[in-house]
Amino acid sequence: AQTVTQSQPEMSVQEAETVTLSCTYDTSESNYYLFWYKQPPSRQMILVIRQEAYKQQNATENRFSVNFQKAAKSFSLKISDSQLGDTAMYFCAFMNIQGGSEKLVFGKGTKLTVNP
Amino acid sequence: DADVTQTPRNRITKTGKRIMLECSQTKGHDRMYWYRQDPGLGLRLIYYSFDVKDINKGEISDGYSVSRQAQAKFSLSLESAIPNQTALYFCATSDYNAYNEQFFGPGTRLTVL
Repeated sequence: AQTVTQSQPEMSVQEAETVTLSCTYDTSESNYYLFWYKQPPSRQMILVIRQEAYKQQNATENRFSVNFQKAAKSFSLKISDSQLGDTAMYFCAFMNIQGGSEKLVFGKGTKLTVNP
Repeated sequence: DADVTQTPRNRITKTGKRIMLECSQTKGHDRMYWYRQDPGLGLRLIYYSFDVKDINKGEISDGYSVSRQAQAKFSLSLESAIPNQTALYFCATSDYNAYNEQFFGPGTRLTVL
């Protein structure tokens, strides 16, 4: 079974600075997707960024980028120029797409606080 | 209007009561999911359905049942609620494509006393 580990339960960063959230996963599969979801206090789950395992290039979405290390099974999220609105829980998630399962497996989350 | 809606948004019930959480979507997606979120545990999959005639158990299905009444509707039932089912429940939908993105509803906060 796949597992996702987020080793930082809580983090904080000053506004306008950069922060990196860690995520590691365990799988024997070769074809999968990885995701970062954001959950602000409104509790809505919002997709931040996704990475296909077969792509070597790291995904980026505006101020959000990932460092995907397939051999190390590591998938960290970097937030640049942090904003107060980035304050939220962040969940790393894994999806195996072989065999049609396509179920998301989530980490336990990292609570990020952006301080003014 | 929201693409994925959940009713109720908040519910307080008593031990032993039967309760149903409902999910509706206007995205036209075939695939629907129910997750449970507990503090410090992330989201865990309860049940999922890839079409109206397909129901599958997830990681933590004990104590829950589901019904896929139509492509757009997927309900989660607690036949006899217990306090450790107090949690935030999310419905999600997806469509088979290259990205398999799941779209989440706003969540239902359930408290079992």
